[in-house]
Amino acid sequence: DVKVTQSSRYLVKRTGEKVFLECVQDMDHENMFWYRQDPGLGLRLIYFSYDVKMKEKGDIPEGYSVSREKKERFSLILESASTNQTSMYLCASRPEQGRGTEAFFGQGTRLTVV
Amino acid sequence: GNSVTQMEGPVTLSEEAFLTINCTYTATGYPSLFWYVQYPGEGLQLLLKATKADDKGSNKGFEATYRKETTSFHLEKGSVQVSDSAVYFCALGGGSARQLTFGSGTQLTVLP
Repeated sequence: DVKVTQSSRYLVKRTGEKVFLECVQDMDHENMFWYRQDPGLGLRLIYFSYDVKMKEKGDIPEGYSVSREKKERFSLILESASTNQTSMYLCASRPEQGRGTEAFFGQGTRLTVV
Repeated sequence: GNSVTQMEGPVTLSEEAFLTINCTYTATGYPSLFWYVQYPGEGLQLLLKATKADDKGSNKGFEATYRKETTSFHLEKGSVQVSDSAVYFCALGGGSARQLTFGSGTQLTVLP
């Protein structure tokens, strides 16, 4: 069974802390993604990566960075957490493009910044 | 660029009612189309997909047909259950984009 695993289901962090969200996939997928999900706004793409050490900005990269040192792992970093980064964060992976290839999602991390 | 417009919710139905959630898209070329479902507190799961015009995707009693002439991929189910209560996302993949493009999601609540 294919899996995308996020390291935490729930996190509570303080304003100004550096926060790491980890995601691991076991499907040898080239592409990995970080989204945030907020009520009424749907899914918004933060960053994605198409290879080790390669990354591209999504729609809302401000305040975030990412790291992909190994193919199976993609980390999202909040450099200095703020209350407006309280959200549900979703990691996904997808194989290299081909017709009908879907994305596979992790279970999500609900982050609260206080 | 690619975009997906999805019927806004929330949608509230009684058990055994008929469900339609509308989805239309804009894309160049011939995208693949997907419906995902998100149960409370969970990530997204693929519900069904279609890769070419007139294809019908189906799963768990849900169906959607890829209509190129109307650029639509509406989700339907003949008789919903309380357990179908979830958020439903329409998405497309196509062109040179590595990521899927998602609609805004539709919250469905089914009452007993």
